[in-house]
Amino acid sequence: GEDVEQSLFLSVREGDSSVINCTYTDSSSTYLYWYKQEPGAGLQLLTYIFSNMDMKQDQRLTVLLNKKDKHLSLRIADTQTGDSAIYFCAGDSNYQLIWGAGTKLIIKP
Amino acid sequence: DVKVTQSSRYLVKRTGEKVFLECVQDMDHENMFWYRQDPGLGLRLIYFSYDVKMKEKGDIPEGYSVSREKKERFSLILESASTNQTSMYLCASSFTGIGNQPQHFGDGTRLSIL
Repeated sequence: GEDVEQSLFLSVREGDSSVINCTYTDSSSTYLYWYKQEPGAGLQLLTYIFSNMDMKQDQRLTVLLNKKDKHLSLRIADTQTGDSAIYFCAGDSNYQLIWGAGTKLIIKP
Repeated sequence: DVKVTQSSRYLVKRTGEKVFLECVQDMDHENMFWYRQDPGLGLRLIYFSYDVKMKEKGDIPEGYSVSREKKERFSLILESASTNQTSMYLCASSFTGIGNQPQHFGDGTRLSIL
């Protein structure tokens, strides 16, 4: 089955860019998603990319997809303290989503 | 906006009790999901349902059952709660169809079994 991998932690300084990476084994996903989970809350859909696209930009967020390397990344420009959260990548598969373990983004002042 | 509502944010129960977690969505979604979330393990799918009265086992169904009597409501049941079921439980829903169909989540229920 599909496997989705993310590193568990990322630490950046406030104002810098954050880049959260995700690799996956199955290239059949049509859509790939990024979700954000703030402490004590559920998951919030942040953005998504269609598998035929290489890049999608939405304000401070940039999603890059390299299908050849099966690599997905989320770049957050000008990282703020409010960006502190766990970020999950996921790919769709038969009406389900296959999830990474989540990357905890830590913001240093 | 899609609204997925879980009945409790926090719940404390005792070992051996039968526990019900309720989830309601207001967008007429066909699919509903129950996950549990534990530190370092990400989200693990317990059960999902793609229609009323239909259910499919996820990755970790043991010790759980589900009920979907109405389209908008999906219940997770712990038949005899055990301490290893202490966790954060997340409910989600989505449409069935062609194109982008993301899952929408409730706020989660943090369940403690003593």
